Amino acid sequence: GAVVSQHPSRVICKSGTSVKIECRSLDFQATTMFWYRQFPKQSLMLMATSNEGSKATYEQGVEKDKFLINHASLTLSTLTVTSAHPEDSSFYICSAPPQTSGSTDTQYFGPGTRLTVL
Amino acid sequence: GENVEQHPSTLSVQEGDSAVIKCTYSDSASNYFPWYKQELGKRPQLIIDIRSNVGEKKDQRIAVTLNKTAKHFSLHITETQPEDSAVYFCAAGGGSEKLVFGKGTKLTVNP
Repeated sequence: GAVVSQHPSRVICKSGTSVKIECRSLDFQATTMFWYRQFPKQSLMLMATSNEGSKATYEQGVEKDKFLINHASLTLSTLTVTSAHPEDSSFYICSAPPQTSGSTDTQYFGPGTRLTVL
Repeated sequence: GENVEQHPSTLSVQEGDSAVIKCTYSDSASNYFPWYKQELGKRPQLIIDIRSNVGEKKDQRIAVTLNKTAKHFSLHITETQPEDSAVYFCAAGGGSEKLVFGKGTKLTVNP
């Protein structure tokens, strides 16, 4: 149980285009999902908290108009990188705590999406 | 907010030896401390976690200890194997608070 999927696993796009990344909880419901960004050989940096049925909560320094988050259902959250630039190239990972866990403690990660902006 | 420090940044051990990774946290309200293992290009995998009402937890070759007073927790891996080689991240949080991750420790187990 507690499987989280992400799609696509890898994407290459041209500068100025938008890219959508999907995060799905396959065998549990998640009212909250988290989006992280990870640069090579660095730690996981939380970008935003995605909340089903309400607006996402963004961390300080993360542009909400650039990184659009939509938590459409209890099993799906999407991150759209708008007008992507080469500096947006990174590994984007989502995580979700099973709703039945009673808190947002235990997080299970998706496999990540490698974004390369040319 | 919470701040998590993790040491060492790299650790190299011989197969069969023990490995210890230490983390400190700053927010006394944190009550959940997970450890994740991440292999190159893959997702972080939860390997063990501990809550603030427990001082130690063990799962086969892996153990975690927590000292709430000193605000530090440690990961102990015994009888290390080459497949234990990976980057390990500690984190602190709990309740409705987000998890804050340490910077990671690259563990290399030499055969």
